[in-house]
Amino acid sequence: AQSVTQPDIHITVSEGASLELRCNYSYGATPYLFWYVQSPGQGLQLLLKYFSGDTLVQGIKGFEAEFKRSQSSFNLRKPSVHWSDAAEYFCAVAGQAGTALIFGKGTTLSVSS
Amino acid sequence: KAGVTQTPRYLIKTRGQQVTLSCSPISGHRSVSWYQQTPGQGLQFLFEYFSETQRNKGNFPGRFSGRQFSNSRSEMNVSTLELGDSALYLCASSPGGGQEQFFGPGTRLTVL
Repeated sequence: AQSVTQPDIHITVSEGASLELRCNYSYGATPYLFWYVQSPGQGLQLLLKYFSGDTLVQGIKGFEAEFKRSQSSFNLRKPSVHWSDAAEYFCAVAGQAGTALIFGKGTTLSVSS
Repeated sequence: KAGVTQTPRYLIKTRGQQVTLSCSPISGHRSVSWYQQTPGQGLQFLFEYFSETQRNKGNFPGRFSGRQFSNSRSEMNVSTLELGDSALYLCASSPGGGQEQFFGPGTRLTVL
């Protein structure tokens, strides 16, 4: 079955420290992969996407993610976290980019000063 | 370019009633998808419309329905509301040519 697993429910990182949020997926075909961020009471904002090609993708707000097919992973990273990055982060997979997204349960990021 | 808009932003209904939510996609986008977000089940896909036709459907009961108009605006309807239908309903639009989805702010539905 198609699924996305985000193993970490909640992560706390000090401001200025690096961040890595984990995402593992199960999908039979070549996946389209996404990371979205959601602030309280808001919709989802796309951080970055992977469709094909270079496995290291750059997104907005200084985020990047690396697609590792052998590990079925698409981990999100940021070298230096800012207090404004505190939010909930969702990894998602789809068979085609514009169709049904399958989301992970999300990881809540807290940033400590 | 204006983003995806959803109306209303908040709704309170009672069990047994029905509700209609509206979504206006980004100009030029032809695909509209709907998702339900709850604390217990997370984000779940409801259905997708493209050029007024339902192209994909998630695993929800028939009480959940939708439609898309010729201007790509979409509505979803939930009949015979249950307490468990309380959720944030998110609409997302896409150009339809294999591009990513852009989400609106959502409609918060509370069923009492």
